[in-house]
Amino acid sequence: DTGVSQDPRHKITKRGQNVTFRCDPISEHNRLYWYRQTLGQGPEFLTYFQNEAQLEKSRLLSDRFSAERPKGSFSTLEIQRTEQGDSAMYLCASSLAGQGRETQYFGPGTRLLVL
Amino acid sequence: GDSVTQMEGPVTLSEEACLTINCTYTATGYPSLFWYVQYPGEGLQLLLKATKADDKGSNKGFEATYRKETTSFHLEKGSVQVSDSAVYFCALERDYKLSFGAGTTVTVRA
Repeated sequence: DTGVSQDPRHKITKRGQNVTFRCDPISEHNRLYWYRQTLGQGPEFLTYFQNEAQLEKSRLLSDRFSAERPKGSFSTLEIQRTEQGDSAMYLCASSLAGQGRETQYFGPGTRLLVL
Repeated sequence: GDSVTQMEGPVTLSEEACLTINCTYTATGYPSLFWYVQYPGEGLQLLLKATKADDKGSNKGFEATYRKETTSFHLEKGSVQVSDSAVYFCALERDYKLSFGAGTTVTVRA
């Protein structure tokens, strides 16, 4: 059983650069979530998709952030004009909707460092 | 809004000791409750969950009971092993979004 995968696992960039992360969910899962985790804190919700539709975005997701899931399978999270405060672990999770209180399964995360 | 408060760490135990990590939540209605674990160098893994009041979740010797009257979901294990060293996160789910506590780091010494 293939779990959630994320790429890259680590990214170092300079302030002002754009970065893009990819998430591949568990194959039959139709919901996909993005969270952000800073050091010493629990993950915070950013956004989620059901199939290709982005259904909710947190106010944490500034206009420099954009997420897509074009074919309802993999998703990308882009951060434009990165700032040092964007340094964090970006986590992706997926779940199968329609089974009541479904469980979210997490990927290994992408650790971003903005210099 | 919804929030989760869990016991601050770090917690250091000897092997075979009992572990309890307290977790309380603030939410309206009946959210689902979860414990996730993050082993060193790995991603978040679901440890156990409970979806309604008085449900008990259990896995790998860990247990937690959904207590509506005290809005709590404390994690317990009777005899810990070195391999239980990890960061433990309590979380609640509402409208498909998870809200997490800050995490509790547990170190078990041989």
